[in-house]
Amino acid sequence: EAQVTQNPRYLITVTGKKLTVTCSQNMNHEYMSWYRQDPGLGLRQIYYSMNVEVTDKGDVPEGYKVSRKEKRNFPLILESPSPNQTSLYFCASMARTGPGYGYTFGSGTRLTVV
Amino acid sequence: AQSVSQHNHHVILSEAASLELGCNYSYGGTVNLFWYVQYPGQHLQLLLKYFSGDPLVKGIKGFEAEFIKSKFSFNLRKPSVQWSDTAEYFCAVNALGGSQGNLIFGKGTKLSVKP
Repeated sequence: EAQVTQNPRYLITVTGKKLTVTCSQNMNHEYMSWYRQDPGLGLRQIYYSMNVEVTDKGDVPEGYKVSRKEKRNFPLILESPSPNQTSLYFCASMARTGPGYGYTFGSGTRLTVV
Repeated sequence: AQSVSQHNHHVILSEAASLELGCNYSYGGTVNLFWYVQYPGQHLQLLLKYFSGDPLVKGIKGFEAEFIKSKFSFNLRKPSVQWSDTAEYFCAVNALGGSQGNLIFGKGTKLSVKP
């Protein structure tokens, strides 16, 4: 089944403790992206990647890092999480052969930083 | 910079009422347009998309949307809503010619359908 898999689904952590949210897709998509969703703000893009070793900042990249060493994986790294990063995070991937196809989204990771 | 505006934050309708959710975008070039739906506690699912051809596109679950280029709009419609349509709806734009991976979302419209 074609899907985007994020882990973990829920995470509670403390301020300053480094964490990684994993994202993996099995569709051989070139594009991958991370979004955060906050009430009243919709989805805002954190980082995106057009292919292996190619990443770029989205609208809200501060406090986040990403890497794209393999096509299928696009982990989101919070080196020193802060409470304002408490949010719902979505990973997504998209085929390059048609930008119009639209993203396929993972199930989300609800992160709470205390 | 590109942006997407959804006019209504929260829409409340009774079952069988007609629905229209507004979406406007700001970008002068060629765009791909999407509507996504997010049911409570779930991830986003694609409702429909437009990237060329007939400006009236039909999606799943009886939804349709019309692209009006002169108005930079892509409004979502459904003739008769059901209680199961209660969800949050997001309009999104992908501007071609720029960063093709960049999908910009509106802030969403919550739809509540009363049985």
